[in-house]
Amino acid sequence: GQNIDQPTEMTATEGAIVQINCTYQTSGFNGLFWYQQHAGEAPTFLSYNVLDGLEEKGRFSSFLSRSKGYSYLLLKELQMKDSASYLCAVRERASNYQLIWGAGTKLIIKP
Amino acid sequence: DAGVIQSPRHEVTEMGQEVTLRCKPISGHDYLFWYRQTMMRGLELLIYFNNNVPIDDSGMPEDRFSAKMPNASFSTLKIQPSEPRDSAVYFCASSGQGIYEQYFGPGTRLTVT
Repeated sequence: GQNIDQPTEMTATEGAIVQINCTYQTSGFNGLFWYQQHAGEAPTFLSYNVLDGLEEKGRFSSFLSRSKGYSYLLLKELQMKDSASYLCAVRERASNYQLIWGAGTKLIIKP
Repeated sequence: DAGVIQSPRHEVTEMGQEVTLRCKPISGHDYLFWYRQTMMRGLELLIYFNNNVPIDDSGMPEDRFSAKMPNASFSTLKIQPSEPRDSAVYFCASSGQGIYEQYFGPGTRLTVT
């Protein structure tokens, strides 16, 4: 069955590093996406992983291990504007290649 | 590109009234998605279209909800009659080509009293 787990909330300090984990169980994995959603706004695309390993994009990196059903989003040099919810979404064959969404992790950045 | 456009941005209506939400996808995208987001249930896929054809509407809550895509640049989501439990933010998203990441519109915040 489909199941995506993320922590509900995390707190970190400005300038620090934070890792947001996502575990999943799917039928026919076909890619994992991370989205950022600021309060009152729409989700925006951050990163995509389909093969094992690390994808780096500026201050943000995303890692995938397909054998473990595990991904993480790493945010470096945290800024106050990084306070948002981060959603993990998995694309799978069983859902006709559409995205299965996690509940999101609310990240709070403190000065 | 203007991105995905949705209207209205806010809608307040009384129970029993008909509500129509509108969406214009990004030009050239061949997939269009309607989502609903609430604090309790998170982001839920209601229905999606490929090349204007509805592919999967299994997420549509009940017969009160209907969606159409008469052409590649326009889609509607209609609720008739509306109920207070329909209060949520409704997002439209589109995707096309490459890795098919989805681009979201700004959403319509619906309040049914």
